[in-house]
Amino acid sequence: KNEVEQSPQNLTAQEGEFITINCSYSVGISALHWLQQHPGGGIVSLFMLSSGKKKHGRLIATINIQEKHSSLHITASHPRDSAVYICAAANTGNQFYFGTGTSLTVIP
Amino acid sequence: DAGVTQSPTHLIKTRGQQVTLRCSPKSGHDTVSWYQQALGQGPQFIFQYYEEEERQRGNFPDRFSGHQFPNYSSELNVNALLLGDSALYLCASSFGGNNQPQHFGDGTRLSIL
Repeated sequence: KNEVEQSPQNLTAQEGEFITINCSYSVGISALHWLQQHPGGGIVSLFMLSSGKKKHGRLIATINIQEKHSSLHITASHPRDSAVYICAAANTGNQFYFGTGTSLTVIP
Repeated sequence: DAGVTQSPTHLIKTRGQQVTLRCSPKSGHDTVSWYQQALGQGPQFIFQYYEEEERQRGNFPDRFSGHQFPNYSSELNVNALLLGDSALYLCASSFGGNNQPQHFGDGTRLSIL
């Protein structure tokens, strides 16, 4: 079993829809990262959080430490949001555990 | 201010050869981590360097080694290349450890023939 599980693996949405990507982890963490990867490989860090909720534009990330669960929400989705979204758990020993990613396609 | 830069962008090698990949961290960052991402998979943590020493290591064989220089740049070396080493190799830098925002390079795509 992987230390970080994401769902769904693939997601197709119509432009404007509200999107949720889920991440569950089994390790003790110092931080939970949400990353965005576009075709070609470049990765951008969206959020780093260890508790509560963070918001940046149309993106919201939440984490429940007790349940070891995090969600990434995208409001008013747009075709430019199409990418792979990866959840990564950083443990207290400076190790990173990655989910396999959620491939999001937003259709105009 | 340049972000994380990796070189080369693409590389083709044959089985048994050795390869060196390079990473320059974002200005002000002192920690460099390396990841391997096979096609269609999430990244896998290889190791992390801080103060010129390997601070943490993932589940990779000794064929994978690294180095960090006084200017915080880093190299990833892979010996005795196998077909399964074909992947995108990503470098990320931060100031401090993994509880800090990570800045990623665009990666080096390594193909083994």
